[in-house]
Amino acid sequence: ILNVEQSPQSLHVQEGDSTNFTCSFPSSNFYALHWYRWETAKSPEALFVMTLNGDEKKKGRISATLNTKEGYSYLYIKGSQPEDSATYLCAPNYGGATNKLIFGTGTLLAVQP
Amino acid sequence: EPEVTQTPSHQVTQMGQEVILRCVPISNHLYFYWYRQILGQKVEFLVSFYNNEISEKSEIFDDQFSVERPDGSNFTLKIRSTKLEDSAMYFCASRLAGAIQETQYFGPGTRLLVL
Repeated sequence: ILNVEQSPQSLHVQEGDSTNFTCSFPSSNFYALHWYRWETAKSPEALFVMTLNGDEKKKGRISATLNTKEGYSYLYIKGSQPEDSATYLCAPNYGGATNKLIFGTGTLLAVQP
Repeated sequence: EPEVTQTPSHQVTQMGQEVILRCVPISNHLYFYWYRQILGQKVEFLVSFYNNEISEKSEIFDDQFSVERPDGSNFTLKIRSTKLEDSAMYFCASRLAGAIQETQYFGPGTRLLVL
């Protein structure tokens, strides 16, 4: 069973703070890592798909890095805003016939105005 | 922007009843998935579907579950005889093509409650 862990489980920050969280995953047979942002009652929104060791991706104030050798990824949010409040999910896939995603536990971010 | 839609958003049913959860994937996508999240647990893979057949299923996806793409647009998940432990949020997802780095696009989910 592939175990994907995210930390912290939850995080409360003040508006304007920068924050980061971690996703760790088995590195063997790794193909790609997906990050999603999920607000309650909405569809999980795709943020990044990362494949290469050392990959860095950026979307506005959110960026992510990937280390495939040791099996971890960091997600950074610069200058958090209340609208960043959501659960952030990481999900590696290991190829195979279907590229199914193996999800982590998620990090629940609450940004206080 | 195209999106995956799911109906209903919520469903309450009695144990033993059949339910059908419906999804409309993004129109030119070729790969389709169902995932679920039991409250407090991780999102977990149920089944994938490609070229009108199941391409992979998890251990959860037993004989009580089935999927269908009846008309080229809808993608359904049927649970034949629901159990209490089937209560969860069910997500549909779709993907355009076979490349590893292709994004899977998720619908908003159907919250199923089995009483």
